[in-house]
Order: sequence, then C-alpha cells, then structure tokens
Amino acid sequence: QSVLTQPPSVSGAPGQRVTISCTGSSSNIGAGYDVHWYQQLPGTAPKLLIYGNSNRPSGVPDRFSGSKSGTSASLAITGLQAEDEADYYCQSYDSSLRVFGGGTKLTVL
Amino acid sequence: QVQLQESGPGLVKPSQTLSLTCTVSGGSISSGDYYWSWIRQPPGKGLEWIGYIYYSGSTYYNPSLKSRVTISVDTSKNQFSLKLSSVTAADTAVYYCARESVTIFGVAHIKVYYGMDVWGQGTTVTVSS
Repeated sequence: QSVLTQPPSVSGAPGQRVTISCTGSSSNIGAGYDVHWYQQLPGTAPKLLIYGNSNRPSGVPDRFSGSKSGTSASLAITGLQAEDEADYYCQSYDSSLRVFGGGTKLTVL
Repeated sequence: QVQLQESGPGLVKPSQTLSLTCTVSGGSISSGDYYWSWIRQPPGKGLEWIGYIYYSGSTYYNPSLKSRVTISVDTSKNQFSLKLSSVTAADTAVYYCARESVTIFGVAHIKVYYGMDVWGQGTTVTVSS
C-alpha cells in the first residue's frame, strides 16, 4: 500500500493527451511538500521527469507538464508518442520520509 | 557529468546481511547540495525509498526498515553504502542508489528539494538459500 495513490494504468492513442493523478494527504502533498515525477522505461532506472511540481529538467520535452493542488498532483503528457510507453511514479515527502506513488503504467495504443 | 554505480553480491542467504556500495564519479559526495539515497524495487512492483545519508554522515531511514538498515558514507572513496540485516525473500529487489538535489536556506534550514536527478543503473539482489 503506497502512501501516494496513482491509477495502476492509463492509455491513449498517439497524439492524444493523457493525465496521471497522484493523491496524497495532509501530511505529505497537502502539507505543502513538492511533488516530483519519474519515468521508468522497461528495464531501466527511473529518470527525473518533473521536479518541484511543475519544472522540467533540461532535455525533457515540453509535452510533459506537472501541476499540484491541495492534496493531489497531476502529470500531463500531450502529443503522446510510442516512446512514452513506460511506468510513471510520483514522489513527495512526509517530513523527512520520501514517499512514492505505486506507479502508473502508460500504454500507447 | 555525475554518475552512480552500485556494486555488491547478487545473491544473499536468508537471515544474512545485504551489503551494497554506490560509487560516485564525476562529482564530489562531499557537496552540501545533495542527499544520497537508496531505493529498491521488488520484481514487478513499485519503488520503495530505503533511506538517505548526507555528506556529514547524518541519516534518515524509512521507518518500515529502520531496525534493519544502516547507511554510511566514505568521503575519501566518494562512496556510500547500504547494509540491510536479517534479510528474507521479501528483500529480493533491484536496488538503486540516487542523488537528490537540495538547497538549504538560512539559519532555519529551510529546504527546497529538486528531486532525485541522478540514478545508478540498479543492481539485482536475490535472497535465497
């Protein structure tokens, strides 16, 4: 049981927009802690995709965006591409504890 | 650019201690701008944060593993290490080390986190007799 709740799976056709939600509580996201998002391609280590709720590291396409409101955060991917098929994880904080979501598998149809 | 590399035995017997090392190259582990973490991922499952160490040696562990975990740092070798005692099959996982960027402001030590921006490739550890 993960501290942060994500849908197990989402899917979309190439070119479409998908969103992945990440729901926490008043002790983590709702307490004002930032949310980060990671992309994990099959057989590889996670990669930082969004940091500080809505910021993209250098090299991450602007098709990826993040937002946060209240006790939840969201990752949006526009212009879906086949290479976006991966697992996505949100991560936040509960005091000094780093907490992850259970992960969402994105399937590009 | 900074790179992390995990190393250690791929097979550990039940009840024994799992020991892994993460070697940092291309940068110094002694920078105050980073926390150094261990994260694991059981087969087919999600990510679980194990704990971190700061260059000063201060640590914080996931309460669910705290009684069995020790993370240490060797600044002279630019390495940090994980020990997990009394392992069972439930500890079988890919173990990752990662760097988390942070800025600490003022006397109040307000922290702004920038996420785990550098990861090792991961090392598979199987617990089996």
